[in-house]
Amino acid sequence: DSGVTQTPKHLITATGQRVTLRCSPRSGDLSVYWYQQSLDQGLQFLIQYYNGEERAKGNILERFSAQQFPDLHSELNLSSLELGDSALYFCASSRGIQETQYFGPGTRLLVL
Amino acid sequence: AQSVTQLDSQVPVFEEAPVELRCNYSSSVSVYLFWYVQYPNQGLQLLLKYLSGSTLVKGINGFEAEFNKSQTSFHLRKPSVHISDTAEYFCAVSDRASGGSYIPTFGRGTSLIVHP
Repeated sequence: DSGVTQTPKHLITATGQRVTLRCSPRSGDLSVYWYQQSLDQGLQFLIQYYNGEERAKGNILERFSAQQFPDLHSELNLSSLELGDSALYFCASSRGIQETQYFGPGTRLLVL
Repeated sequence: AQSVTQLDSQVPVFEEAPVELRCNYSSSVSVYLFWYVQYPNQGLQLLLKYLSGSTLVKGINGFEAEFNKSQTSFHLRKPSVHISDTAEYFCAVSDRASGGSYIPTFGRGTSLIVHP
């Protein structure tokens, strides 16, 4: 158990819908990262937050957005969902911006 | 942008045999290298990392990797595998992003299958 929690574990929704994925980092970790893992694209970095501020951005679509709240939990919002958004979404956290990242168990999203 | 090539998508091996999982990356002035393991239905766990210093890096569970700058490789090895090592292994490389973070680019993964 990495100490990073993600909810929900599974999510099934329809095209065009909007969903929110939640991540709680390990106690004391200030940095949160979001990744997408799919068969087509492999494991890709989406976005990083540090202490509430966006720190780095990867291959995140404009339909996707994220934020980190004052209690340091983070949410990833996915809107206008398409079939191709079906994937495993991981959250990771670290103490600072250069320390080891600890991954959560992931949220499996299926868009029908 | 960095890229990572894991040369084998699947590596079958018998228990107690040695194994090497290969990883090559695109060159850069300075890179930071990682190996992660993903067990079924779990998130990724860091096995080892190379930031600087000795080119031979020891990690958890008896794994080690060697950084070879001239060949731009970072192969993962274990002298004797166990059934419990069956998992997906990811090599990753990162530059420091403009904000100072280590943002990894991952390979496509190698599935290690250990047979009894």
